[in-house]
Amino acid sequence: GAVVSQHPSWVICKSGTSVKIECRSLDFQATTMFWYRQFPKQSLMLMATSNEGSKATYEQGVEKDKFLINHASLTLSTLTVTSAHPEDSSFYICSASRGAALNQPQHFGDGTRLSIL
Amino acid sequence: DAKTTQPNSMESNEEEPVHLPCNHSTISGTDYIHWYRQLPSQGPEYVIHGLTSNVNNRMASLAIAEDRKSSTLILHRATLRDAAVYYCILVQGGSEKLVFGKGTKLTVNP
Repeated sequence: GAVVSQHPSWVICKSGTSVKIECRSLDFQATTMFWYRQFPKQSLMLMATSNEGSKATYEQGVEKDKFLINHASLTLSTLTVTSAHPEDSSFYICSASRGAALNQPQHFGDGTRLSIL
Repeated sequence: DAKTTQPNSMESNEEEPVHLPCNHSTISGTDYIHWYRQLPSQGPEYVIHGLTSNVNNRMASLAIAEDRKSSTLILHRATLRDAAVYYCILVQGGSEKLVFGKGTKLTVNP
């Protein structure tokens, strides 16, 4: 079946560091990928829609200069958390759907746990 | 986005069927009903989706009410590995966007 891979799975870094998270679709091409954030004991919150070859679309309240998204190829989207602070510590998850048909299910990565000290 | 309402939690015993309800009284004609589940410390996993007719796959069955204002995810024989948070999500026709609610935390007792 379709697989979405995220890397790294766990990051611990100092405050002020920028952190890049990769999301790859391993056996299909994805023109659109999605980035979510999940705090402990809460649901997933959609942050942005990553569009291959164009600018990402951010949800209301998400700082685009803080969370940089690049979707340079049909199989890779990256999320960079710039100048990360402790409040950015969270579980970040990406997803993509396979195929061009409408209403295809989303395939999710296993998430990246980010801890800012 | 059309909203869904699910119980916060449910319990089941292993090997027994589980019926997870979802209310979506404001569903529009082009909204698909999707179900995902999330195991602890993992990304969500697709379970099933449908529009009007009931659906079956290897994981579960989806029963959709005739007026489409509610649906039920059916796990035919719960296992310990089915313990997860189950999310019922309405997806607009032609959209890929998922908006997650709080979901139902399913506990499966041995």
